[in-house]
Amino acid sequence: AQSVSQHNHHVILSEAASLELGCNYSYGGTVNLFWYVQYPGQHLQLLLKYFSGDPLVKGIKGFEAEFIKSKFSFNLRKPSVQWSDTAEYFCAVRTQGGKLIFGQGTELSVKP
Amino acid sequence: DTAVSQTPKYLVTQMGNDKSIKCEQNLGHDTMYWYKQDSKKFLKIMFSYNNKELIINETVPNRFSPKSPDKAHLNLHINSLELGDSAVYFCASSQGMAGDEQFFGPGTRLTVL
Repeated sequence: AQSVSQHNHHVILSEAASLELGCNYSYGGTVNLFWYVQYPGQHLQLLLKYFSGDPLVKGIKGFEAEFIKSKFSFNLRKPSVQWSDTAEYFCAVRTQGGKLIFGQGTELSVKP
Repeated sequence: DTAVSQTPKYLVTQMGNDKSIKCEQNLGHDTMYWYKQDSKKFLKIMFSYNNKELIINETVPNRFSPKSPDKAHLNLHINSLELGDSAVYFCASSQGMAGDEQFFGPGTRLTVL
């Protein structure tokens, strides 16, 4: 069965620290990859997406992610986090059937 | 203008009751979804409708019945509510199943007492 695994349940960083959130998926076919963010009390918003082409994709608010096909990974990065990045981050994979499968989420807490 | 809206935002009810959650999108999308987010923040798809036709129906109890009166609306009716139904329910929409991103609504927090 298709699945998405996020390595860290809760990450705590100080402001200006660098961030990398891991995401691995299990699906052998063509996939579209997404990172969504959910700020406290708000709905999910798209951070970035990968469909094809350059495996390094840039999103909003200084986030980027790299698709490594051989590792079935799509890790999210940001060189310098801010307090306002405190949120829940979800990696998601969309299969050819159109179903969006989410990881279990990573809670990021940034200390000012 | 809100792209994907849901009502109500909060819903507190007793076990055994029947309740509905409404979802509307004004993005002109043809595909709509319902997701359930449990207490551990895990998000799982429940249903998907494309042009008012049911496309995805995950292993959800048949107490849950989605209804799509038109492409812009997808409502969720839940019969005989149980404690385990307590969760946040998100509606989402997209253009096509394999199209661009899904846009999510603000969520409905359902608490079953």
